[in-house]
Amino acid sequence: GQNIDQPTEMTATEGAIVQINCTYQTSGFNGLFWYQQHAGEAPTFLSYNVLDGLEEKGRFSSFLSRSKGYSYLLLKELQMKDSASYLCAVRDSNYQLIWGAGTKLIIKP
Amino acid sequence: IAGITQAPTSQILAAGRRMTLRCTQDMRHNAMYWYRQDLGLGLRLIHYSNTAGTTGKGEVPDGYSVSRANTDDFPLTLASAVPSQTSVYFCASSDRSYNEQFFGPGTRLTVL
Repeated sequence: GQNIDQPTEMTATEGAIVQINCTYQTSGFNGLFWYQQHAGEAPTFLSYNVLDGLEEKGRFSSFLSRSKGYSYLLLKELQMKDSASYLCAVRDSNYQLIWGAGTKLIIKP
Repeated sequence: IAGITQAPTSQILAAGRRMTLRCTQDMRHNAMYWYRQDLGLGLRLIHYSNTAGTTGKGEVPDGYSVSRANTDDFPLTLASAVPSQTSVYFCASSDRSYNEQFFGPGTRLTVL
């Protein structure tokens, strides 16, 4: 079967750094995505990794290790507006996205 | 219109009724998707369309049907709603040449 695991909830402090992990087992791999979803809103695209390594985009970075079936999203200089759910999704051999249940990130002042 | 729109925003429906959720995009994207999102579960693909005139089944297609008569519109129909179809429904689209999917604002559906 196909499976994507992420922690259900994490708490961090404003101004700090947080790492959200994602592990996956899927039928094929054609890229990994991270999306942000604020409560009551639609998911919005954050990052995409298809090769091993780190992709940096401002305060957000995403890392991929295909051999380990592992990715993480790193958020630096946390702001209150970063309180949201972060969704990990893998594009499988059929080019469909398989989604994790999401990690709810709570930022405390 | 800018991006993807969905209608209605929310709906309460009696079990057994027929319901069509509407989705329209103005980005000329080839591919469109319907997902449902339930608490504690990831987004689950219901149906998709890679291009106008074609559709395919996703992970949870039972009880739902779609059509893709043109590039812009991708309606989702519940022929006879059941309470287990209570969920938030998201429509999304993507261009073949780009990687990410763009999501509509969602429809919150309650079936009683």
